[in-house]
Amino acid sequence: ELKVEQNPLFLSMQEGKNYTIYCNYSTTSDRLYWYRQDPGKSLESLFVLLSNGAVKQEGRLMASLDTKARLSTLHITAAVHDLSATYFCAVDLNYGGSQGNLIFGKGTKLSVKP
Amino acid sequence: EPEVTQTPSHQVTQMGQEVILRCVPISNHLYFYWYRQILGQKVEFLVSFYNNEISEKSEIFDDQFSVERPDGSNFTLKIRSTKLEDSAMYFCASSGQADAEAFFGQGTRLTVV
Repeated sequence: ELKVEQNPLFLSMQEGKNYTIYCNYSTTSDRLYWYRQDPGKSLESLFVLLSNGAVKQEGRLMASLDTKARLSTLHITAAVHDLSATYFCAVDLNYGGSQGNLIFGKGTKLSVKP
Repeated sequence: EPEVTQTPSHQVTQMGQEVILRCVPISNHLYFYWYRQILGQKVEFLVSFYNNEISEKSEIFDDQFSVERPDGSNFTLKIRSTKLEDSAMYFCASSGQADAEAFFGQGTRLTVV
C-alpha cells in the first residue's frame, strides 16, 4: 500500500523566514503533485513534478523531486502572510498508464505570522 | 479561465436517502475524478473515469457509489443509500492528459443527518 507522509503537519512561521516541507512516499512513482488549499476552499494546483531531479519554482515556492529517495520538498523563501494555507503533496499510483489514483499526504497547515 | 464547477455547494440529506452530486469538468478534458475529504482529514481518491468507463476505484467506492457522464458535459456521483460516515466534502476534478495535473472544483459539502 502506498503511503505518503508529510512533515511537519503544522508549521508556524515568521514572515521573512525560510522553511521546507517534506513529502516522503513508500513506493516507486515518478509523478508528484503539490496542491494548496485555503480553508473551506478547493485544491489549487501548484506544481507537477514528472521526473527525477525535477525542480520547479513559482514566486516564493520551489518544489523538487528525488525519485530515488522517494522524497519531494516544498521550499518556502521569505514567507509572507498570503502563503498561509494547507499544502498537500500527492503521488500518482498509476504512473506509466492512465492517470488514476492520487494518494494525498495529510497536508501541512502553514501559518505565517507578521 | 476554465474551471471545474460543482453543484450544489452544500447538500444536507437524511441517512438512507440517495444523493447525486454534479460536476461540469473543463470542456476539453478527458479524465475525470471524484475525491472526498472528511473534515480535517486528508483528501481520498474515490474513482477515475476515462473513455466513458471507470479506470480506477478505491476501496471506499463500494456498490453504494456510482458515476455517470450522462450527456457529454456533466459528470455525476451518486450515493444510493447515504450513511452518516459519507458526510464529507466531495471534490470533482478533471485533467486533459494522463500525466497532467488535475483541476479541482470547489467541492460539495455533503452532510448526512
